Amino acid sequence: SQQGEEDPQALSIQEGENATMNCSYKTSINNLQWYRQNSGRGLVHLILIRSNEREKHSGRLRVTLDTSKKSSSLLITASRAADTASYFCATDAGDYKLSFGAGTTVTVRA
Amino acid sequence: AAGVIQSPRHLIKEKRETATLKCYPIPRHDTVYWYQQGPGQDPQFLISFYEKMQSDKGSIPDRFSAQQFSDYHSELNMSSLELGDSALYFCASRAEDRVYGYTFGSGTRLTVV
Repeated sequence: SQQGEEDPQALSIQEGENATMNCSYKTSINNLQWYRQNSGRGLVHLILIRSNEREKHSGRLRVTLDTSKKSSSLLITASRAADTASYFCATDAGDYKLSFGAGTTVTVRA
Repeated sequence: AAGVIQSPRHLIKEKRETATLKCYPIPRHDTVYWYQQGPGQDPQFLISFYEKMQSDKGSIPDRFSAQQFSDYHSELNMSSLELGDSALYFCASRAEDRVYGYTFGSGTRLTVV
């Protein structure tokens, strides 16, 4: 990937549990975004956190950003079967493109 | 609400043929991006346009070209297709104020046989 690593690469959890995935990046950023992708489908924007923000919430999603460590985490609480997807972090360095991480595949078991 | 529209959804071409992918951004979005996603890979940035001018270029082969037209729609032209060009091609658009994330289209799945 262009920016860094996401871990874990794959995650399997029971419905109702929380899912946490991490993303690291290499360059300075303007903002960091998380996207969801169902198998072979389009990318859906989930949440954007700016470089001067440390935490952001949206529904069952919580994102943290640590610019000193160049890392972010996405927490999905009370997971549902419909949360089964691949999750990508992407960084916006203020130039005209997004750089994606390798993605975490999340499987939520009913 | 209007989304990013890509056409066609699926495309099958033979090696050495040419393909044209189209993208219609969200109205009033002035920036368009193209990404290529191979099987099991993360999306790779190809090229972007701002106000009809190329704004940035990524790992786009010389066989590919793109442009943005006066109505802001964009086309990605791919010539001398190779088997390795088989991938999902996404277009995304964004408003210049950067308040929100990018909006991606559903993608065009190109299969080169």
